Amino acid sequence: EMQLVESGGGLVKPGGSLRLSCAASGFTFSNAWMSWVRQASGKGLEWVGRIKRKIDGGTTDYAAPVKGRFTISRDDSKNTLYLQMNSLKTEDTAVYYCVTESNGGPDYWGQGTLVTVSS
Amino acid sequence: DVVMTQSPLSLPVTLGQPASISCRSSQSLVYSDGNTYLNWFQQRPGQSPRRLIYKVSNRDSGVPDRFSGSGSGTDFTLKISRVEAEDVGVYYCMQGTHWLTFGGGTKVEIK
Repeated sequence: EMQLVESGGGLVKPGGSLRLSCAASGFTFSNAWMSWVRQASGKGLEWVGRIKRKIDGGTTDYAAPVKGRFTISRDDSKNTLYLQMNSLKTEDTAVYYCVTESNGGPDYWGQGTLVTVSS
Repeated sequence: DVVMTQSPLSLPVTLGQPASISCRSSQSLVYSDGNTYLNWFQQRPGQSPRRLIYKVSNRDSGVPDRFSGSGSGTDFTLKISRVEAEDVGVYYCMQGTHWLTFGGGTKVEIK
């Protein structure tokens, strides 16, 4: 059974940093394009960024609001996806979902981890 | 950036009756490979989103056949042939042709 388990969320002050992890199991992680999607409380879904599989270059893409502040990486030996978030702003407060991508969109979602940016 | 506009924002429906949600993109979603990467998601209260439809009209595994997707270019529709109680939630369209962008969501509730 496919599983994505996010961790690392919590309370951080504006300007601070946080690293989220996503442990994957039940599928061949190294073959998957992976993304992060976030959702502020009571709001809609927002794509944060993605990392392609190494055979496709392992490159990353980011949404404009996080470009230059967030970094996505992966460790295929550990079946783990990461999201390093720096210079956090209050508007980054959200539940962050780890997702697999196929056929042009997220197909499997984790349960999410809550990030709260507040002084 | 591609903007995805959904309507209506809220959709009260009667059990057993059909429902339809519209999604319009600010530019064509036809990719250079000929595919149109338009997805539909369902988010039930308190749950993670779940994909229902990919590439306009293809149902994901386990999705009931009362859900169907259609459309082309910039105009797309999700239809539920007969709404059931478990269909309550928020539905999102999402394009994957030009990066990834979600629509604002349509809340489906029972009258």
